[in-house]
Amino acid sequence: EAQVTQNPRYLITVTGKKLTVTCSQNMNHEYMSWYRQDPGLGLRQIYYSMNVEVTDKGDVPEGYKVSRKEKRNFPLILESPSPNQTSLYFCASSLSVGQGGQPQHFGDGTRLSIL
Amino acid sequence: DAKTTQPNSMESNEEEPVHLPCNHSTISGTDYIHWYRQLPSQGPEYVIHGLTSNVNNRMASLAIAEDRKSSTLILHRATLRDAAVYYCIPRKETSGSRLTFGEGTQLTVNP
Repeated sequence: EAQVTQNPRYLITVTGKKLTVTCSQNMNHEYMSWYRQDPGLGLRQIYYSMNVEVTDKGDVPEGYKVSRKEKRNFPLILESPSPNQTSLYFCASSLSVGQGGQPQHFGDGTRLSIL
Repeated sequence: DAKTTQPNSMESNEEEPVHLPCNHSTISGTDYIHWYRQLPSQGPEYVIHGLTSNVNNRMASLAIAEDRKSSTLILHRATLRDAAVYYCIPRKETSGSRLTFGEGTQLTVNP
C-alpha cells in the first residue's frame, strides 16, 4: 500500500532534549516536505527536499534540521526543542517538483509536546 | 499565492449532494486549483485538482467557473466519512510543490 509513515505518532519530552521524527515513503517520490499545524495558523511548511541531498527552508525553519540521504526517508530533527515547537507535524511527499498538478500524500501526523 | 475565500462551515445530510464553494478571484492563468480535505486526527488527503475544465474522479467532481475566479467541489452523495475540513488551494505550475492551506470549510454530515 502506498503510504507516508511517520514515527512516533505521539511524543512528550522536555526542553533541550534532542529528538528526531522519522518520515518514510514507499512511492519512490522525489519531493518530500514537513509541515506543522497550529490552531489558528493552519499548516505551515518547515523544510522541503526536491531530491536526495537537496533540501531547502520553508516558511518556518527556525529550530529545525532535516536531511535527505536516501530517497525514501526525510527525518525532522529538533536539536534543542523548546515549548513553542509543541505542535502537530505532518510529512508529505509527491512524485516530483515543479508540476503544479502533482498531488501530495501526507502522513498521519506526529503530535509533539515539549515541556 | 492567490487568496481564497471559503465558508467557515457547511452542513449536509447523509446521501445528499454537497457543493463546497471557493472564491479565488486573484488566481493567475497558470494556477492549478487543488482540493484537499482533513479528517479528524488525520493528515490532509488529496481530493481532486483541475486547471480549466471540470474534472471527475472517484471521490468528487470539480466544477471550475469559466473565468476561473471560483470553483465548486461536489460530493455526489455525502457519507458520514466525508465530515472533514475541506481546503481549496490554488497552486502555481512551478510552485515547488508547497501547499498553502487557508482556513478551509468544516463540513458536517448529519445521519
